[in-house]
Amino acid sequence: EAGVAQSPRYKIIEKRQSVAFWCNPISGHATLYWYQQILGQGPKLLIQFQNNGVVDDSQLPKDRFSAERLKGVDSTLKIQPAKLEDSAVYLCASSPGQGPDTQYFGPGTRLTVL
Amino acid sequence: RKEVEQDPGPFNVPEGATVAFNCTYSNSASQSFFWYRQDCRKEPKLLMSVYSSGNEDGRFTAQLNRASQYISLLIRDSKLSDSATYLCVVRYGGFKTIFGAGTRLFVKA
Repeated sequence: EAGVAQSPRYKIIEKRQSVAFWCNPISGHATLYWYQQILGQGPKLLIQFQNNGVVDDSQLPKDRFSAERLKGVDSTLKIQPAKLEDSAVYLCASSPGQGPDTQYFGPGTRLTVL
Repeated sequence: RKEVEQDPGPFNVPEGATVAFNCTYSNSASQSFFWYRQDCRKEPKLLMSVYSSGNEDGRFTAQLNRASQYISLLIRDSKLSDSATYLCVVRYGGFKTIFGAGTRLFVKA
């Protein structure tokens, strides 16, 4: 079974630039999550989708971050404009249901903002 | 106060040692509890769920104390391959998932 795919794996940009990340979940998984993990911290949930609907985006900085999952399959996360403090690993995860015990994580995208 | 707090570590132990990590949570409505393992520069992976009655998986034992609002992870007979960061995860509200900052473990020969 193919795992969660993410691209790109690494991205370096300058502050105020825009960046987008892509995630393809495990086939058939209804729930998709985007997490931000800053060095030395645990993953912080940014947004959770159930199919193509948003379940929780309470911690998404909506002035600069946006995410979509239009067809209920793959998803994109965008940052516009980026700030230095956005430097982190952005992890995508998917699960058949909504419980964390069935969350499968992708390899992440490491973002560096200069 | 953070919603989920863990021993900061790092824990440096020799092979064969027994080591225990604790994790406290602030929301008494928390419903589900888990331990994840994260290797350096890798993604988190589920280690085990934590049940009210406690549960064991080989050398790993997880326990939950709802009255004191903490969970624990015990690793017996530590192996070099156990070196990783251990993340405590709490779920409440039907879907809200909170990760702790993690506890780093180094097992040395």
